[in-house]
Amino acid sequence: GAGVSQSPSNKVTEKGKDVELRCDPISGHTALYWYRQSLGQGLEFLIYFQGNSAPDKSGLPSDRFSAERTGGSVSTLTIQRTQQEDSAVYLCASSLGGGHHQPQHFGDGTRLSIL
Amino acid sequence: DQQVKQNSPSLSVQEGRISILNCDYTNSMFDYFLWYKKYPAEGPTFLISISSIKDKNEDGRFTVFLNKSAKHLSLHIVPSQPGDSAVYFCAASETSGTYKYIFGTGTRLKVLA
Repeated sequence: GAGVSQSPSNKVTEKGKDVELRCDPISGHTALYWYRQSLGQGLEFLIYFQGNSAPDKSGLPSDRFSAERTGGSVSTLTIQRTQQEDSAVYLCASSLGGGHHQPQHFGDGTRLSIL
Repeated sequence: DQQVKQNSPSLSVQEGRISILNCDYTNSMFDYFLWYKKYPAEGPTFLISISSIKDKNEDGRFTVFLNKSAKHLSLHIVPSQPGDSAVYFCAASETSGTYKYIFGTGTRLKVLA
């Protein structure tokens, strides 16, 4: 498709399990971002990729969170030993990049629920 | 400390009238601002942006105003339509290596038919 694609759309898992969230950005977009939105909150930045490199990981809330990007395209956000406070909607966005401001285009998110 | 604030969690407007959504920021390094619209169970959709070198940008029914001295921006929707009912987020960014966005907490707009 032409837009940012995220999977799964919903994920319910038990506390302590690991989860993987996937993002497929718009073709040709070199910049990729992960955000999360907790209930009643705005979107919170997690990590930024330029190509396969992650020069800004400052938003990752703990070392249980990690992300990678391969081939300059698909990205995976992994949360290990999930906790209930990890419940949120995880949103991925991509933009053309190129060293100046560009609108970011968002996927529909993965709604993660930790029981 | 929240760098981008939307102090009105909700707003109701009659169809055909003007909707004005407000946003304040504290970081003087921000030089690019955007508004996004979000429907339930969907990702945010880009609406309009403005660079700090401008004080107004218009796109159809949507106009964004920027007052740098007051660190304030607003989104005007004229005329408002029922399909505009959604949550609106303002976001800000600074020229840096990442261009990441800092978002406000959103304003839920309801346009009454």
